[in-house]
Amino acid sequence: NAGVTQTPKFQVLKTGQSMTLQCAQDMNHEYMSWYRQDPGMGLRLIHYSVGAGITDQGEVPNGYNVSRSTTEDFPLRLLSAAPSQTSVYFCASSYSGSFGDEQYFGPGTRLTVT
Amino acid sequence: GQQLNQSPQSMFIQEGEDVSMNCTSSSIFNTWLWYKQDPGEGPVLLIALYKAGELTSNGRLTAQFGITRKDSFLNISASIPSDVGIYFCAGQTGANNLFFGTGTRLTVIP
Repeated sequence: NAGVTQTPKFQVLKTGQSMTLQCAQDMNHEYMSWYRQDPGMGLRLIHYSVGAGITDQGEVPNGYNVSRSTTEDFPLRLLSAAPSQTSVYFCASSYSGSFGDEQYFGPGTRLTVT
Repeated sequence: GQQLNQSPQSMFIQEGEDVSMNCTSSSIFNTWLWYKQDPGEGPVLLIALYKAGELTSNGRLTAQFGITRKDSFLNISASIPSDVGIYFCAGQTGANNLFFGTGTRLTVIP
């Protein structure tokens, strides 16, 4: 199993550009989520999905869109990048997202917006 | 969102020493989790705690879920160089609600 994979590993964008961060898992997990990690702030939940076709907002959803058309993939879209979105982005998955389910994290995407 | 305060922010210790770090919150959590993050990688779960007062060990790691449900600590005994990394606590209030602490950066000097 590859686990949770993320692409790209690094990305530089100009303000106003759009892009999609890719996330895929091969563990047949229902629950997937996106976090951003900023210095001194820990990880914060952006969006999550409890299954194909179902998504919901987390703590910091503004400026990001998600969709879940398959169990395996959960892309994160930045429609118009802003410098405040410079961060490291982590995708995670777990069996159901419930208590006791271990979340497995991908290696992260480091995004810089100039 | 929920605020989880971890202390210390960073630690420099000699190999072989024991390490203690903790996490406090003004909110009650139903589950406490401890993660380790290596450079360039995502966090990996170390220990999960599900009941107030619970004390759980995983090798050289021991963690406790505070009685008030607002705090947790993690101890690492006899540290080794590969313990280097950032340790995060996380509290869970319900399904899909996982909040992370600010992290403790551990450096082990051989």
